[in-house]
Amino acid sequence: AQSVTQLGSHVSVSEGALVLLRCNYSSSVPPYLFWYVQYPNQGLQLLLKYTSAATLVKGINGFEAEFKKSETSFHLTKPSAHMSDAAEYFCAVSDLPDSGGSNYKLTFGKGTLLTVNP
Amino acid sequence: NAGVTQTPKFRVLKTGQSMTLLCAQDMNHEYMYWYRQDPGMGLRLIHYSVGEGTTAKGEVPDGYNVSRLKKQNFLLGLESAAPSQTSVYFCASSRLNEQFFGPGTRLTVL
Repeated sequence: AQSVTQLGSHVSVSEGALVLLRCNYSSSVPPYLFWYVQYPNQGLQLLLKYTSAATLVKGINGFEAEFKKSETSFHLTKPSAHMSDAAEYFCAVSDLPDSGGSNYKLTFGKGTLLTVNP
Repeated sequence: NAGVTQTPKFRVLKTGQSMTLLCAQDMNHEYMYWYRQDPGMGLRLIHYSVGEGTTAKGEVPDGYNVSRLKKQNFLLGLESAAPSQTSVYFCASSRLNEQFFGPGTRLTVL
């Protein structure tokens, strides 16, 4: 079974500073990888996904993530934090689909709460 | 397009009561999922469905039942609620490898 580790349950940055949220996965086969964002009292919204087309993936709101197979990592970055980036961020990895199907179940990390200070 | 909707948004139950959470999607997706979210635990899969009339257990299925009588709806039932089921419940539907989430239902069991 897949597992996902997000280092740091809470990250605090100043507005304009670099954002780095860490995610490591365990798998012998490069999976699909995702970053989701959850704003207070809302559902999860997809930020970006890795599907093997390119190792550097660009997402919405200026975020990007780099897939590094040798490090089994998929860290999320943004060059300059904005107050509106304050939210909880979840890394997720997909299992391979059930045999004969295309159902990709997800395993989520425990989340990292990003605080942005003025 | 409403996407994925969940009913109700909030609910308070007493221990032993039953209830059903409704998830509906208008994207014609085959796959649907129920998760629970607890502080510091991320999202954990309760049950999922790969098509109308089919369901399967996820990581934490105990105490829950599901049904998928129509392709667009996925119901989550609690037959006898327990305080340990106090959580935020999210439904999702998927097209291939991307899941779309509903806004959640906040359930408190006293």
